[in-house]
Amino acid sequence: EAAVTQSPRNKVTVTGGNVTLSCRQTNSHNYMYWYRQDTGHGLRLIHYSYGAGNLQIGDVPDGYKATRTTQEDFFLLLELASPSQTSLYFCASSDAGRGRTGQLYFGEGSKLTVL
Amino acid sequence: GDSVTQTEGLVTVTEGLPVKLNCTYQTTYLTIAFFWYVQYLNEAPQVLLRSSTDNKRTEHQGFHATLHKSSSSFHLQKSSAQLSDSALYYCALSGGYGGSGNKLIFGTGTLLSVKP
Repeated sequence: EAAVTQSPRNKVTVTGGNVTLSCRQTNSHNYMYWYRQDTGHGLRLIHYSYGAGNLQIGDVPDGYKATRTTQEDFFLLLELASPSQTSLYFCASSDAGRGRTGQLYFGEGSKLTVL
Repeated sequence: GDSVTQTEGLVTVTEGLPVKLNCTYQTTYLTIAFFWYVQYLNEAPQVLLRSSTDNKRTEHQGFHATLHKSSSSFHLQKSSAQLSDSALYYCALSGGYGGSGNKLIFGTGTLLSVKP
């Protein structure tokens, strides 16, 4: 049973459109992350959170908002989508914390195309 | 700053021959763990190996890696590559201060292509 689930798995929108990507984890992890994956750039961190109501800025945050509503749920928001945001997005949870390794557990990915 | 370097973007190897994927790092974190993640086509990344212990060999699925803090390296090796090993491999470190491994740094990835 998948412990990190993302929706939608595929999304097509137009420039200027509004997109919300959803992620739910059942690992009871405190940390959750949003990454984008692009050829030649690998995995790049957009935002992350260490608990409900908390948000930390990642390495490529421009054009993205995020919100962590519960320990389980983490959302990525693109309010004015642009073609440069066409990418494969991964959500992940982590066992980071005192004494833990910080191993990531990834969702299946959400492919976003902005026309 | 903190970084993970994978020098090869693409490694091509013939089935049955050994393969080595390079990974070096720079970090100031006090608490660190190292990972190799593997991503097969159309799948999510998943952990292949992890290590926190200096000079200790870690093995899984025929792959092995040894963390060498003296040379800041965590290279991935396999003695005999299989066609099914073709995938994208990421080296990563998890670090923090005061015992928390909450900051992850990924390399840019190495695509391994195993040919018959």
